[in-house]
Amino acid sequence: ETGVTQTPRHLVMGMTNKKSLKCEQHLGHNAMYWYKQSAKKPLELMFVYNFKEQTENNSVPSRFSPECPNSSHLFLHLHTLQPEDSALYLCASSLTSGGVANTGELFFGEGSRLTVL
Amino acid sequence: GEDVEQSLFLSVREGDSSVINCTYTDSSSTYLYWYKQEPGAGLQLLTYIFSNMDMKQDQRLTVLLNKKDKHLSLRIADTQTGDSAIYFCAVLEGGSYIPTFGRGTSLIVHP
Repeated sequence: ETGVTQTPRHLVMGMTNKKSLKCEQHLGHNAMYWYKQSAKKPLELMFVYNFKEQTENNSVPSRFSPECPNSSHLFLHLHTLQPEDSALYLCASSLTSGGVANTGELFFGEGSRLTVL
Repeated sequence: GEDVEQSLFLSVREGDSSVINCTYTDSSSTYLYWYKQEPGAGLQLLTYIFSNMDMKQDQRLTVLLNKKDKHLSLRIADTQTGDSAIYFCAVLEGGSYIPTFGRGTSLIVHP
């Protein structure tokens, strides 16, 4: 148990479907992240939110739409996906304040395995 | 920006020591981390080292940092089959809160 919970753990969707991935943390962190992990490719940072404001968007296609209603919750809305979007989507959180006591590590969820047919 | 490099695979015999290496480019790095990812799971922090340290030991794990060469290593003593996983090196640049991850090293432990 890492303190970061992702749902669903597995999702199969067609290219015309609309679905959402959810991430929740109760660690008191203020930053939340979405990563994409595909086979044989490096971990790809997709989006970062810090105090609910989006601070990173690494050229992610618009068929992925993030939402961060508060510092504890993060969503990834999916629509009109392609088969190459099949991957493990990892959510993470961290504390970005706290001065020298903050060691800056990310806490990851178990991931949502997405398959696009 | 920061660039973090790791070899992709390491195979060791059970009971031997494993050494996973990582190099990075930014000399302003503050914290350096090792994460472990087991099949079908997320990344779990194993250990970290602050940039003013040369070594950190935690049970079977030893982290060595050579700042001059920008080289980080993770040694696992008495490697067990349960240590088979992907190990990610990550580096936090000074002034940033987003660590840069390497591609991960797949550690395979065979009997």
